[in-house]
Amino acid sequence: AQKITQTQPGMFVQEKEAVTLDCTYDTSDPSYGLFWYKQPSSGEMIFLIYQGSYDQQNATEGRYSLNFQKARKSANLVISASQLGDSAMYFCAMRERNTGGFKTIFGAGTRLFVKA
Amino acid sequence: DTAVSQTPKYLVTQMGNDKSIKCEQNLGHDTMYWYKQDSKKFLKIMFSYNNKELIINETVPNRFSPKSPDKAHLNLHINSLELGDSAVYFCASSPPGQNTEAFFGQGTRLTVV
Repeated sequence: AQKITQTQPGMFVQEKEAVTLDCTYDTSDPSYGLFWYKQPSSGEMIFLIYQGSYDQQNATEGRYSLNFQKARKSANLVISASQLGDSAMYFCAMRERNTGGFKTIFGAGTRLFVKA
Repeated sequence: DTAVSQTPKYLVTQMGNDKSIKCEQNLGHDTMYWYKQDSKKFLKIMFSYNNKELIINETVPNRFSPKSPDKAHLNLHINSLELGDSAVYFCASSPPGQNTEAFFGQGTRLTVV
């Protein structure tokens, strides 16, 4: 069963506007971490933002914020004031305990296109 | 200083060949991973090692054999390469805990012809 779901294969946003990328997750573990990564066309994986399952406040990092709704098991990424350089694939990920350690699993990704 | 480095960055080889991808991290992390990213960009975990011990093996064909000579290195050897093995392979590492992000290498683009 898919544990991380990103329902938007592609999104368009006008430069300087805000955009929300959706992510829902499924876990029975009360302790977990949620992450967003950016993958530009050059291919590297860039960590953007983290939200812990026990965190009371939504995480923010510069223009990135995470809209964490624990009861709905959603962790949407909000990018404010979009820039052309934000065009990339965005992956939602969850890190949870696994036998012997921890593992990070990823959603299918959302490709964001920023229009000038 | 490169935190997680993989070699080679590109690898083109014929079906049936055996090839290896090397990964090293200088972050002092205990846990290292291999991920496969297919042509649709889906990232799937393959293996995880913690202090040189295999802890995750996600139904990967046994043609894929990871080796961790020490906790800073995790290599991936692939026997009898098939066309379907063409993908980008990412090595990653992380410290323990669920609140720590994984640090990724730059990826190895493997093309099997």
